[in-house]
Parts: sequence; C-alpha cells; structure tokens
Amino acid sequence: GQQVMQIPQYQHVQEGEDFTTYCNSSTTLSNIQWYKQRPGGHPVFLIQLVKSGEVKKQKRLTFQFGEAKKNSSLHITATQTTDVGTYFCAGWWAGNQFYFGTGTSLTVIP
Amino acid sequence: DGGITQSPKYLFRKEGQNVTLSCEQNLNHDAMYWYRQDPGQGLRLIYYSQIVNDFQKGDIAEGYSVSREKKESFPLTVTSAQKNPTAFYLCASSTSGGADSPLHFGNGTRLTVT
Repeated sequence: GQQVMQIPQYQHVQEGEDFTTYCNSSTTLSNIQWYKQRPGGHPVFLIQLVKSGEVKKQKRLTFQFGEAKKNSSLHITATQTTDVGTYFCAGWWAGNQFYFGTGTSLTVIP
Repeated sequence: DGGITQSPKYLFRKEGQNVTLSCEQNLNHDAMYWYRQDPGQGLRLIYYSQIVNDFQKGDIAEGYSVSREKKESFPLTVTSAQKNPTAFYLCASSTSGGADSPLHFGNGTRLTVT
C-alpha cells in the first residue's frame, strides 16, 4: 500500500533548540496536512500545504512542501515545553484517504 | 460546543467478545472515519463514510464492521475475528471527505482485550 515515511521517530531537544521533522512519500501528493498530538490527547490539525514549493509559517513553526510534492518538513524554532507531543504528516493522493506518517515524538527538556 | 464524542474512554473486553465503540459528531460533517493507533505505527484507516448509508474499507478493515444510519453517528464494532484488537481507536470527521478537508478527531477510546 501507499506509505508515508516520517523521520526521526523520536527527538529530544533542550528548550530553546530548534527541531525539524521530515515526511517522505514514494508517490506525488495532492496535498499534505500536519497534525499535533499532545501526550494522552488526540491529533489536532495544524496546517495544509497544496502547492509545489509552498512555505507557510505559524509563529515559530515553518512548514514546507517540496518542489516535487513528495516530501515535506516541519521546523520549530526555539522550542518550548508547550511544543511537546507527536507531530504527524498526512498525505493525500489518488485515493480517497489521507495516509499518515509514523509520527515524530518531540520531548523538550527544560 | 461542536465536536466529536467518543465513548467510553477506556474499554476492557475478554477475547472472543464483540465490542462496539461509539462516535457521535454535531459538526454537521458529511464524512466520518475510524483510525487505529498503535505505538510507532501512526494512524491507520479502518473504515470511512462520506455519506449516510454508505461506507468504504480502509487499509485494515478485516475484523471490523461499521454502520452509518445517521449523519451524526458512526459506530465501530470490533469483532472476535480481529486478531490483535488492543489499541487506541480514534474517530474523526471532516466537512466533505475531500483532500482539502481537515480531520477533526475525538478524544479516542483505548480498548484492551485480554
């Protein structure tokens, strides 16, 4: 089946350091969405990227969609303890569903 | 407040029993989904429905069944045929079920089968 690979699986950072998670698909995507799941919680939608090479920012979060629409990244500048959680990408292509990446679990050490 | 309600939060069952997980939404969304979440595997789609009285299998539908008799409700039955049912189950909805519709998730049901 379709696969969306996400790396790294785990990331521990000191508070104030930057963090990046990467999402890769073997297939060209129509669009990609990013979600955040706090520990013990449920995924919450963050953003959607549609255009090739698109870059979107939300405060300290920067989202990029690759030129070939096969990869995406989420970068957090100067992490805070409130950034703790698991970040998932979800890609959509020809089928009628989103395929979720395996997620990157972020731990921020105060 | 609009949202998705899943119940119960925790569910325990003996092996060989069927169990039904509830999912209700008052967002007036057309599409509803069931995902299964296991550690290190992300979210995998079990079933989805884009309209009342119609639903489609996701990648891991074996051992599960659903119904969509009302727009607001999309219950999931985990049957005894599901080989490894212990997991965290998430219900979600979206406005249209299309690529540009974000998913809104419920709080999940953690099912333990022993």
